[in-house]
Amino acid sequence: SQTIHQWPATLVQPVGSPLSLECTVEGTSNPNLYWYRQAAGRGLQLLFYSVGIGQISSEVPQNLSASRPQDRQFILSSKKLLLSDSGFYLCAWSQYPDSGNTIYFGEGSWLTVV
Amino acid sequence: SQQGEEDPQALSIQEGENATMNCSYKTSINNLQWYRQNSGRGLVHLILIRSNEREKHSGRLRVTLDTSKKSSSLLITASRAADTASYFCATEETSGSRLTFGEGTQLTVNP
Repeated sequence: SQTIHQWPATLVQPVGSPLSLECTVEGTSNPNLYWYRQAAGRGLQLLFYSVGIGQISSEVPQNLSASRPQDRQFILSSKKLLLSDSGFYLCAWSQYPDSGNTIYFGEGSWLTVV
Repeated sequence: SQQGEEDPQALSIQEGENATMNCSYKTSINNLQWYRQNSGRGLVHLILIRSNEREKHSGRLRVTLDTSKKSSSLLITASRAADTASYFCATEETSGSRLTFGEGTQLTVNP
């Protein structure tokens, strides 16, 4: 069966510090990978998605970047965090091609920028 | 841009009652999906309904889709306290295969 792991679960970082959130998927190959952000009590905002190694699409301009160094690894990064980067970050995957397929989410990472 | 919009934003009912949540969207879609999120957790897929389907059932869940009105509803029958969660609709537009999520409905089922 397929599983998705993301870490760390909780992170408190000072403004201006770097960020690295990692996500790995097991039990499948060539998945579509996603990073979402969720503000408190709100819906999900798609930040990045990837259909293959090294292929990253950004949905919104921001202080964040994503990389996919391996087929089932997706990393969300920032060189210098802003207060507005605080939120709940969710990694997710779906089977390629993803039309009509379910998206499977990780348990999320709480980021607080202080 | 926001595609799906859930209504109501919050719903509080008693155990045993039915809960109905609605979702409206703006563009043509391939399918519409409903997800559930327990507080502070990831989302879990509940049900998918395709654009050529009008109604779908899964256990205590019933989903309807009206493409002419660009709307969907999620009905949870005989609700339980464990159904307390946020429920999100997500649409897959015909113009692209990525899902767009709504803002969610916070459902509270009181024991």
